[in-house]
Amino acid sequence: DAKTTQPPSMDCAEGRAANLPCNHSTISGNEYVYWYRQIHSQGPQYIIHGLKNNETNEMASLIITEDRKSSTLILPHATLRDTAVYYCIVRIYNQGGKLIFGQGTELSVKP
Amino acid sequence: GAVVSQHPSRVICKSGTSVKIECRSLDFQATTMFWYRQFPKQSLMLMATSNEGSKATYEQGVEKDKFLINHASLTLSTLTVTSAHPEDSSFYICSARESRTVYGYTFGSGTRLTVV
Repeated sequence: DAKTTQPPSMDCAEGRAANLPCNHSTISGNEYVYWYRQIHSQGPQYIIHGLKNNETNEMASLIITEDRKSSTLILPHATLRDTAVYYCIVRIYNQGGKLIFGQGTELSVKP
Repeated sequence: GAVVSQHPSRVICKSGTSVKIECRSLDFQATTMFWYRQFPKQSLMLMATSNEGSKATYEQGVEKDKFLINHASLTLSTLTVTSAHPEDSSFYICSARESRTVYGYTFGSGTRLTVV
């Protein structure tokens, strides 16, 4: 079973920051949090991942709470092309490192 | 970056026939590959983990005799849906674990299987 819970859908205005929350209260100390997104009928695309420190790359920022029980993905300036399903995933450390997807958040960026 | 090629992108087959889907790592060696299926409006469901040169490990509830996985080389894994039925119609996606990128998991573009 997935170790994450996310809101099923969110809206965001174009040009604004999109903040996507994720709860992972049962995460273990050595398990990473990954974020992928999927545009309709395509394979998932990597966004960012982290263990306990906040991370930033050219696509997004990842904020992980100190207790690691939740995290937030931030898309700083959302565009229409960011409309997709966003998956927060905890990598299962002791099961071959497999990624178990939860239900994800369907983000709609509106003009 | 790492690229995973999945083929075919779409396939239509008749009920009772078998279909093979290929997943190739183009510029790296993948010791581990994962196979997922996705029904409309649903999330990706992990079917199995395949390691090069050994038998695949199937998730609970996935019929290993129906979904045959072969990972004979470090760059190729195949999924064969045997005796396909309309309920097997789905979007199948592979993923390869690799060390060339910091994130380590690259996904194919998926295969849309329709069984008629």
